[in-house]
Amino acid sequence: NAGVTQTPKFQVLKTGQSMTLQCAQDMNHNSMYWYRQDPGMGLRLIYYSASEGTTDKGEVPNGYNVSRLNKREFSLRLESAAPSQTSVYFCASSGLNRGGTGELFFGEGSRLTVL
Amino acid sequence: GDSVTQMEGPVTLSEEAFLTINCTYTATGYPSLFWYVQYPGEGLQLLLKATKADDKGSNKGFEATYRKETTSFHLEKGSVQVSDSAVYFCALSAPSNTGKLIFGQGTTLQVKP
Repeated sequence: NAGVTQTPKFQVLKTGQSMTLQCAQDMNHNSMYWYRQDPGMGLRLIYYSASEGTTDKGEVPNGYNVSRLNKREFSLRLESAAPSQTSVYFCASSGLNRGGTGELFFGEGSRLTVL
Repeated sequence: GDSVTQMEGPVTLSEEAFLTINCTYTATGYPSLFWYVQYPGEGLQLLLKATKADDKGSNKGFEATYRKETTSFHLEKGSVQVSDSAVYFCALSAPSNTGKLIFGQGTTLQVKP
């Protein structure tokens, strides 16, 4: 029962470096999401993909890009990392289509530090 | 826009004490409401949910009632255990939001033996 798998779990970058966070789900879910978690601010949505082939900006998309590679995989890319992007990143998926509401299943998180 | 506000933490209780974590929301239409829990070093997992007014969600001794008149979804448990120590997030999903959730800032609960 893998659920939602994120890699890497930990990463340290220097300012200006790039990296990609990978996420895969094995629940045949249509929708996938990237959130960041910062102390005192809860989780904020970066990007989401309501279905394969579509992506949309969330609350805090600046400095990030995403790719919905196929139904299973949704990656998050930092092209030029900044210290303000130091955070814990969570990928999530949901089985509901547009207009639906339901449970999000989360990965274990990726802790990113930008020096 | 839609938003969720939770009570400030941390909340520190003794084992077997009564727990309330307040949550209020602002949303257009009729959102679904959720409580998620995050144990140390883990991702979030759904604790309970309610999809319409006056619904009560419950799980593992926790419960919360969807109060449309007060736009609230307070989390309660009659007798907490040390194992309930975690961060609790209130969240909403509006029907037009393509399933994405809007979270409150989280409330840390620490239960002491």
